[in-house]
Amino acid sequence: AQSVTQLDSQVPVFEEAPVELRCNYSSSVSVYLFWYVQYPNQGLQLLLKYLSGSTLVKGINGFEAEFNKSQTSFHLRKPSVHISDTAEYFCAVRETGNQFYFGTGTSLTVIP
Amino acid sequence: DAGVTQSPTHLIKTRGQQVTLRCSPKSGHDTVSWYQQALGQGPQFIFQYYEEEERQRGNFPDRFSGHQFPNYSSELNVNALLLGDSALYLCASSLRHQGNQPQHFGDGTRLSIL
Repeated sequence: AQSVTQLDSQVPVFEEAPVELRCNYSSSVSVYLFWYVQYPNQGLQLLLKYLSGSTLVKGINGFEAEFNKSQTSFHLRKPSVHISDTAEYFCAVRETGNQFYFGTGTSLTVIP
Repeated sequence: DAGVTQSPTHLIKTRGQQVTLRCSPKSGHDTVSWYQQALGQGPQFIFQYYEEEERQRGNFPDRFSGHQFPNYSSELNVNALLLGDSALYLCASSLRHQGNQPQHFGDGTRLSIL
């Protein structure tokens, strides 16, 4: 079974500073990769996805992520965060079947 | 275009009781997956329904069962509730034959067991 590791459970960052949220997965077979954001008392909203092609993918709200096959990583980045980015972020992997595997999440707190 | 809708939003039960949660998928989607998200954790896959049959199942006991209806909506049933079943239950929908597409999530049902 797939294993998804989000290395940082909590990330505090000052407003307008850059941020990177790390994600590593276990399988080396073909996978699809996703980042979701969850605001309090809400479901998960898709930020971005990697299916194939360019290893740098851009998503909503200024986020981007880079797929690194050799390191089995899919780190999420934003060059300048806003207060509104405070939320829980989940990395997810989908193998050729339909099952998604989620990491345990990273809580991003943006400090004014 | 309606997204994934779940009902109820909150539910309080006691140990030993049974509960049914409901989900309507995003318009055009035919596959429904259920997840359990405990406090401070990521979503854990319970099972997935397609064409009214359970197609995949995660590591959950038989107390967790489900159903999918001809209109693609789905129910999650949990019997003999335990304190540890307290969690946010998320429903996600997708189109089965677009395997590279993301799942769309509802806002969840918050289940509290007393």
